[in-house]
Amino acid sequence: AQKITQTQPGMFVQEKEAVTLDCTYDTSDPSYGLFWYKQPSSGEMIFLIYQGSYDQQNATEGRYSLNFQKARKSANLVISASQLGDSAMYFCAMRERTNNAGNMLTFGGGTRLMVKP
Amino acid sequence: GAVVSQHPSWVICKSGTSVKIECRSLDFQATTMFWYRQFPKQSLMLMATSNEGSKATYEQGVEKDKFLINHASLTLSTLTVTSAHPEDSSFYICSARGQFGQYFGPGTRLTVT
Repeated sequence: AQKITQTQPGMFVQEKEAVTLDCTYDTSDPSYGLFWYKQPSSGEMIFLIYQGSYDQQNATEGRYSLNFQKARKSANLVISASQLGDSAMYFCAMRERTNNAGNMLTFGGGTRLMVKP
Repeated sequence: GAVVSQHPSWVICKSGTSVKIECRSLDFQATTMFWYRQFPKQSLMLMATSNEGSKATYEQGVEKDKFLINHASLTLSTLTVTSAHPEDSSFYICSARGQFGQYFGPGTRLTVT
């Protein structure tokens, strides 16, 4: 079974509007971390936001916020006031605490976001 | 802070030759480094995890004799693609784990002709 699922392969959003990118995860580990990365066409991976499983509040970083619903095992990324430069691939990733001596990340399939002017 | 560099950023090589990709953590020590491969329009797939001074742990389906990983110091890991074939053409990304998180290199695009 997939550990990280991103159900939206591609999305369009109008410039200046908000957009939500979905991410659901599967783990039995009580301690885990969730990450969102942006990958523009250049290929580099840019860290956006992090949410720990024990964090009480949803993470926010500038125009990025993470809608963390623990019971539903979802960690959706919300981008407010979209900009043309937001057009990129977005990856959700998870790091589990146990059985993960290397602390590796598991990635979802990604969502390609295209911002329309 | 927390910068990871990769060299080269892109490389074209002929089938049968070997290619070495370097991954460096510039301003922190990384006891663990990860190597990912990404095919066009696909997600990152973990190839191997390397810990400084020990042998790398390869994911299932990744040939350790083909993808040689060396993590000789706390700031340098290398991935050597031996006897490269066109199907090895891909985007290779390294990642280094520091004290406060996991940081990615800019990637290396390998094209095997």
